[in-house]
Amino acid sequence: QLQLQESGPGLVKPSETLSLTCTVSGGSINSGNSYWDWIRQPPGKRLEWIATIHYSGFTHYNPSLKSRATISVDLSKSQFSLKLSSVTASDTAVYYCARHTAQSGDFSWGQGTLATVSS
Amino acid sequence: QTVVTQEPSFSVSPGGTVTLTCGLSSGSVSDSYLPTWYQQTPGQAPRTLIYNTNSRSSGVPDRFSGSIVGNKAALTVTGAQADDESDYYCVLYVAGLWVFGGGTKLTVL
Repeated sequence: QLQLQESGPGLVKPSETLSLTCTVSGGSINSGNSYWDWIRQPPGKRLEWIATIHYSGFTHYNPSLKSRATISVDLSKSQFSLKLSSVTASDTAVYYCARHTAQSGDFSWGQGTLATVSS
Repeated sequence: QTVVTQEPSFSVSPGGTVTLTCGLSSGSVSDSYLPTWYQQTPGQAPRTLIYNTNSRSSGVPDRFSGSIVGNKAALTVTGAQADDESDYYCVLYVAGLWVFGGGTKLTVL
């Protein structure tokens, strides 16, 4: 059974870069039909899709975050990562990693990790 | 900017049936938007219930069903149970982006 586990610092200072990693187990990160996502949820607000990556290197970003977000994949470690630069308090959120298959909204979710931006 | 709309709250009696909807700020929802529904309880990760309009995710009871009703996607809960009390979110695939709705808080009482 596919399992996704987020990791990263719980606290980041304003203007710094938030770095998160998702470790994939129970499934292959280089499955051709799988797309790997970062999604976040600020406290009390709706979910927001950030970015998607395919093992081939294809990436797609939410335009609202594209200038600050970078998604990458490390096939050797079965991990994919997110870097979000120049963070502010509005980037405080629970960050989820997820997987969906092509042409499907059937996301499989990690448990989420809270990232707080504060000095 | 596309906004996905949902009712903020809804209530249903135990054993009753309720239909939640998911619309667009402009335009109609169709199958091509891959409407998907999630259940989320506080502090927990979302759980996929229905994807691609009406496909039930693995392990989801058949009292949950999805459809298109009019110009919106719909999630119907038939025979509501106490543990169905939760937040329900939809997401639509709009012009290559996944856009989430604001969620509906369902109360069972």
